[in-house]
Amino acid sequence: EAQVTQNPRYLITVTGKKLTVTCSQNMNHEYMSWYRQDPGLGLRQIYYSMNVEVTDKGDVPEGYKVSRKEKRNFPLILESPSPNQTSLYFCASVTRRGQGTQYFGPGTRLLVL
Amino acid sequence: GENVEQHPSTLSVQEGDSAVIKCTYSDSASNYFPWYKQELGKGPQLIIDIRSNVGEKKDQRIAVTLNKTAKHFSLHITETQPEDSAVYFCAASNGAFWGSGNTGKLIFGQGTTLQVKP
Repeated sequence: EAQVTQNPRYLITVTGKKLTVTCSQNMNHEYMSWYRQDPGLGLRQIYYSMNVEVTDKGDVPEGYKVSRKEKRNFPLILESPSPNQTSLYFCASVTRRGQGTQYFGPGTRLLVL
Repeated sequence: GENVEQHPSTLSVQEGDSAVIKCTYSDSASNYFPWYKQELGKGPQLIIDIRSNVGEKKDQRIAVTLNKTAKHFSLHITETQPEDSAVYFCAASNGAFWGSGNTGKLIFGQGTTLQVKP
């Protein structure tokens, strides 16, 4: 079954404690993205990757890092989380530069105290 | 920068009625316009999309129209059912056609919460 998986699904942490949200896809897609969803703002892109070892900033990259060492995995790293990073996060993948169906993961709800 | 405005933010209809959600975009280079449905506790799921070389597309009870001149596109749901209740997002990107310069990044609207009353 084609899918994007994220872990963890829910996370409560404290300010400054580094965390990683994992994302994995089984469709051999080149293009992967991270979005955050906030009420009234829709989904905003944090980072994206066009292929292995190729990453770039989206619209709201501050406070986040990513890596793409393997095609299937695209982890999101918060080196020093702050309360304004409390949000719902989605990973997504698509075959080639946004063409075709963009598959979203189930989401990770993060609360930073 | 690129922007997509979506209206209304909430929409309540009776079962069997039609629902229309409208979006406008700012980037004239946009050429791909997907619509996503997000059910509670789940990620967005593509329900229909349209490319700039087409003015209208239909799939059973849902249809999307695109007006490139006015830079707006709309989602139409006919004969609504309670299971259509969800949050709907429009989006725009310049990634419809393979070529240099486009990143395929999706710019999303703010979302519309649709409630279909039985």
